[in-house]
Amino acid sequence: KQEVTQIPAALSVPEGENLVLNCSFTDSAIYNLQWFRQDPGKGLTSLLLIQSSQREQTSGRLNASLDKSSGRSTLYIAASQPGDSATYLCAVKTSGSRLTFGEGTQLTVNP
Amino acid sequence: GAVVSQHPSWVICKSGTSVKIECRSLDFQATTMFWYRQFPKQSLMLMATSNEGSKATYEQGVEKDKFLINHASLTLSTLTVTSAHPEDSSFYICSATPGTSGGDQFFGPGTRLTVL
Repeated sequence: KQEVTQIPAALSVPEGENLVLNCSFTDSAIYNLQWFRQDPGKGLTSLLLIQSSQREQTSGRLNASLDKSSGRSTLYIAASQPGDSATYLCAVKTSGSRLTFGEGTQLTVNP
Repeated sequence: GAVVSQHPSWVICKSGTSVKIECRSLDFQATTMFWYRQFPKQSLMLMATSNEGSKATYEQGVEKDKFLINHASLTLSTLTVTSAHPEDSSFYICSATPGTSGGDQFFGPGTRLTVL
């Protein structure tokens, strides 16, 4: 059974800091890995999707890496802003289009 | 493109009543739709997977008679919480995928259910 773990559970940083969120998964037989953002009481916004054959994806200030063999992914946020405050969820896709989510990292960026 | 809507966005009901939540894919045909439940400060837990025209596949521990799922068309799936109780209060999120296995899931905005 696939299990996804995210560390840290919560993170508070001053504005402008670069930060790294971590995600690990137990079964390396994945189709892809996706990072989402969730604002309080809202649905999910997809940030980055990395296919199993890829090593990283970048979008603006966000960079996600994937090391499938070791079961790890990181989300790097550069020059953090208060508007980045949200919960970040990592999810891996295994067989049958099934997504398994981590518990999330709650990020607070202080002005 | 790839927009998924949910209705209602929030609902408050009395214990013992049934509540229906709709999930619609607005600009694509969804061969598969997924229903998730999220308790406060927890992650999304998959409840069931539904394919258009066939019975939903429920995850272990999810009562199929309590959470009725209907996927009658390629753009609409419904989740009915029957005889709701306070412990069913949660955030319910659906997603839809247009693709074959491995296709991206597009998520709805969620429905907040509060059972009094």
